Amino acid sequence: QVHLQESGPGLVKPSQTLYVTCTVSGGSVSSGEYYWSWIRQSPGKGLEWIGYIHYTGGTYYNPFLKSRISMSMDTSKNQFSLRLTSVTAADTAVYYCARADNWKPTWFDPWGQGTLVTVSS
Amino acid sequence: QSVLTQPPSVSAAPGQKVTISCSGSSSDIGNNYVSWYQQLPGTAPKLLIYDNNQRPSGIPDRFSGSKSGTSATLDITGLHTGDEADYYCGTWDSSRTISYVFGTGTKVTVL
Repeated sequence: QVHLQESGPGLVKPSQTLYVTCTVSGGSVSSGEYYWSWIRQSPGKGLEWIGYIHYTGGTYYNPFLKSRISMSMDTSKNQFSLRLTSVTAADTAVYYCARADNWKPTWFDPWGQGTLVTVSS
Repeated sequence: QSVLTQPPSVSAAPGQKVTISCSGSSSDIGNNYVSWYQQLPGTAPKLLIYDNNQRPSGIPDRFSGSKSGTSATLDITGLHTGDEADYYCGTWDSSRTISYVFGTGTKVTVL
């Protein structure tokens, strides 16, 4: 059974860069059939899809965040990561990683437990 | 940013049925598969329904999904107190945002 686990800094200062990592166990990020995704949820709010990375290195980012996002993958560690630059308080959220089925996702499963990142000075 | 509209809340007594609607457009629900997610308090979302009406293994048949035109529906029958959660629909938006979009979310309360 595939399990995803996020790790992050907890606190980031405004204008700095947020970096969170997802470690996959019970499966391989090199599996070509899946797309490894990031989704966030601001406190008390709904879900926002951030984007995904495929093991080939292909990525697709939410157009609303595209200018500040980059994603990477380390197959040797079975991990993938999200980098978000120039953060503001609006980027305070729980960041989830999840596995998607397609380049045009139709579902996300499973999800990690999430990591809360707070942007504050 | 959400382009999918859900009622903020629905409620019913134990054993009863609730229906959650998810309203979109031809650029999203109308031409793409819908999935549904359950988020219990303090936990990560969990896939409940995919491809409009398919249940992953382990999801009881009390949960069912359907789609018609530009709207989708999640039905929960035989309501349990353990079903109290937030529920989100989601689908790909092919033209407005050209990204995956989630619904606004619905809080289910068991009276």
